[in-house]
Amino acid sequence: DTGVSQDPRHKITKRGQNVTFRCDPISEHNRLYWYRQTLGQGPEFLTYFQNEAQLEKSRLLSDRFSAERPKGSFSTLEIQRTEQGDSAMYLCASSSPVGHTEAFFGQGTRLTVV
Amino acid sequence: AQTVTQSQPEMSVQEAETVTLSCTYDTSESDYYLFWYKQPPSRQMILVIRQEAYKQQNATENRFSVNFQKAAKSFSLKISDSQLGDAAMYFCAYSAGGSNYKLTFGKGTLLTVNP
Repeated sequence: DTGVSQDPRHKITKRGQNVTFRCDPISEHNRLYWYRQTLGQGPEFLTYFQNEAQLEKSRLLSDRFSAERPKGSFSTLEIQRTEQGDSAMYLCASSSPVGHTEAFFGQGTRLTVV
Repeated sequence: AQTVTQSQPEMSVQEAETVTLSCTYDTSESDYYLFWYKQPPSRQMILVIRQEAYKQQNATENRFSVNFQKAAKSFSLKISDSQLGDAAMYFCAYSAGGSNYKLTFGKGTLLTVNP
C-alpha cells in the first residue's frame, strides 16, 4: 500500500463551476477525514466517515459541499457553485479502527477558483 | 470548543542544535490526545509524536520529545540535534477521547534549520 492517495493534485476552476475530488485511503483504514487548509493556517476539519457512514460534519461545510464514501472505500468531496473563498488545499486522511491512532494524510488537492 | 494555540509563527535553529516549539490548548475534557505533525514543503503531513493525556510520562521518539504539562495545558516539542531535513511546518493537534477522532490543529510553526 502506498498510503493515502488524492486526485487531482491541482485543480483550477472558474467561479460557479462544480468540482469533485477523490481520496483513496489506506486499505485497512475504516476512518476517513476531510480537512481544508488555507495559506498560513492549520488544517480545519470538514467531515468524518466511519466505513460508509458520515458521522460528523463541520459547520464550515456549507450546503454547497457534499462528501460521500460509498461502500466504505474511496471518498469524494464535491463543491458546487465554487466561490473564490473555496480556494484552499483539501486534505484527506485515514486511520485504523483501533483507538486514537495516527492519522495518515494524503498530499492534498490544491483548488484555485478564478 | 477545543482550541490549539501555537504562539511562534516561525523559528530557526542551527544544525545540530536543539529547538523547542510551543503549543497550548484549551479543553474541558479529561481524556484526550495530543500530536505533533510535520508538513514538509509540498509533501504530506506526517506524525512526529503522540501523547495520551492520561500518561504522565512524556513521549519520546528518537530526537523528538515533548514536555506535557497537563495542568498548564501546555504541550511543547523539543527537537535535539536538529538536521536539515527537520525543516518544515510543524502543527500541534488535539483529539478528544471517546469516539471523536477528528483533529483540531494550531496555526503551525515554520521551522528553518540553518547549516
